[in-house]
Amino acid sequence: GQNIDQPTEMTATEGAIVQINCTYQTSGFNGLFWYQQHAGEAPTFLSYNVLDGLEEKGRFSSFLSRSKGYSYLLLKELQMKDSASYLCAVRDTSGYSTLTFGKGTMLLVSP
Amino acid sequence: DGGITQSPKYLFRKEGQNVTLSCEQNLNHDAMYWYRQDPGQGLRLIYYSQIVNDFQKGDIAEGYSVSREKKESFPLTVTSAQKNPTAFYLCASSSNSLGDEQYFGPGTRLTVT
Repeated sequence: GQNIDQPTEMTATEGAIVQINCTYQTSGFNGLFWYQQHAGEAPTFLSYNVLDGLEEKGRFSSFLSRSKGYSYLLLKELQMKDSASYLCAVRDTSGYSTLTFGKGTMLLVSP
Repeated sequence: DGGITQSPKYLFRKEGQNVTLSCEQNLNHDAMYWYRQDPGQGLRLIYYSQIVNDFQKGDIAEGYSVSREKKESFPLTVTSAQKNPTAFYLCASSSNSLGDEQYFGPGTRLTVT
C-alpha cells in the first residue's frame, strides 16, 4: 500500500511564496502528480515528477527526491485565486495507471 | 471541445434507492476512474477501467457497481448496500501512458436522505 502525508492547512499573503510539502511511502514509485482543486470543482493538473529534481512551470514549480520519498510544490507571486486545495498523488509500479491521493492541503491566500 | 462530462451536478435520493451517475468522455482515453471525495478525506478510488469491457475494484468498491460497454462511457451505480452514499463523486480519464495525467469531470454531489 501507499501512505501520503501533506499538511492540512496553510496560510500565506498575496505576493508571497509558499511551499507545500508531500511525503510518501510506497513499495514501488512510478511518478508523483500535483493537482489544484477549488471548492466544489474538479481537480486540475499542475505538475508531474518522475525523476529527481525541479520542474518549473510559470509561477508553479515542483520538486522530487525519490530517495527521501519527498516532494514539494512551490507557488510564487501568490494571487487570491490561488486559494484552493492542493492534492499530492502517487503512482506505483503495479502496472496500472491508478493514483493514490493525499488528503490535500488547503491554502488560504490573504490580502 | 474535448472533455469529460458528468450529470447531473446535484442529485438527491431517498435511502434504499439505487442511483446511477453518468460519466462521458470524448478524449479518446482508454482508462477511466471513479473517485469519491468526503470532507477531509481526499480522493478515494472506487472503480477503474483500463479498457472497454474490463474494470477493477479500487480501494472502496463495496456498495458500488460499474460497467464499461463503450470507450466513452463509464457509469457508476450507487446501490442501497452503500452505507454512507452522500458524497462528491468525481469521474476521471487518462491515456494508458504512465506520464499522462488524469483529467477530471466537474463532479456530481449526491445527497441521500
